[in-house]
Amino acid sequence: GNSVTQMEGPVTLSEEAFLTINCTYTATGYPSLFWYVQYPGEGLQLLLKATKADDKGSNKGFEATYRKETTSFHLEKGSVQVSDSAVYFCALNSGGYQKVTFGTGTKLQVIP
Amino acid sequence: EAQVTQNPRYLITVTGKKLTVTCSQNMNHEYMSWYRQDPGLGLRQIYYSMNVEVTDKGDVPEGYKVSRKEKRNFPLILESPSPNQTSLYFCASSGWGNNEQFFGPGTRLTVL
Repeated sequence: GNSVTQMEGPVTLSEEAFLTINCTYTATGYPSLFWYVQYPGEGLQLLLKATKADDKGSNKGFEATYRKETTSFHLEKGSVQVSDSAVYFCALNSGGYQKVTFGTGTKLQVIP
Repeated sequence: EAQVTQNPRYLITVTGKKLTVTCSQNMNHEYMSWYRQDPGLGLRQIYYSMNVEVTDKGDVPEGYKVSRKEKRNFPLILESPSPNQTSLYFCASSGWGNNEQFFGPGTRLTVL
């Protein structure tokens, strides 16, 4: 079956540091890949997505590239802010059904 | 405003007392899902629905029921709750051809 593996957290960074959160996946076919973000006390919201190999998703300074050869979708940001503190989930959707597989989430804390 | 609503937001109950968590979306979405979020396990899908009267099991369906009698509503039913169902529950919806999911704010359930 499908699976998503994320680097374990929590990750603590100083403001303006570079962020990488690793995500690798196992799936049949050609899945769509997502990063969702969950701010404290809220539901998840889509941060970015990529639907085919070599696509780059980007939003709010975050980027991730769909790498089929390494089955990865690592999240990066060049300069994090305190407001980026949240839990980040990598996810995939394989096939035409809404059966989405999520990673375990990575908590990011950014300190001033 | 496009949104997914859940009620109640917080619920404390006792073992065996039937409960229903409601979910409603105003975006005319075909797909709806229920997830539970537990520490270290990320989000796990309980049930999903592809349209009215069409539902299917996710990864952890035991102990839960759902129904989809109207397109906008997708209630989650716990006929006989047990303490291992203490969790944070999220409802989500998405439209045909767009695999981004929109999440509700969550329902924190405690079963004593």
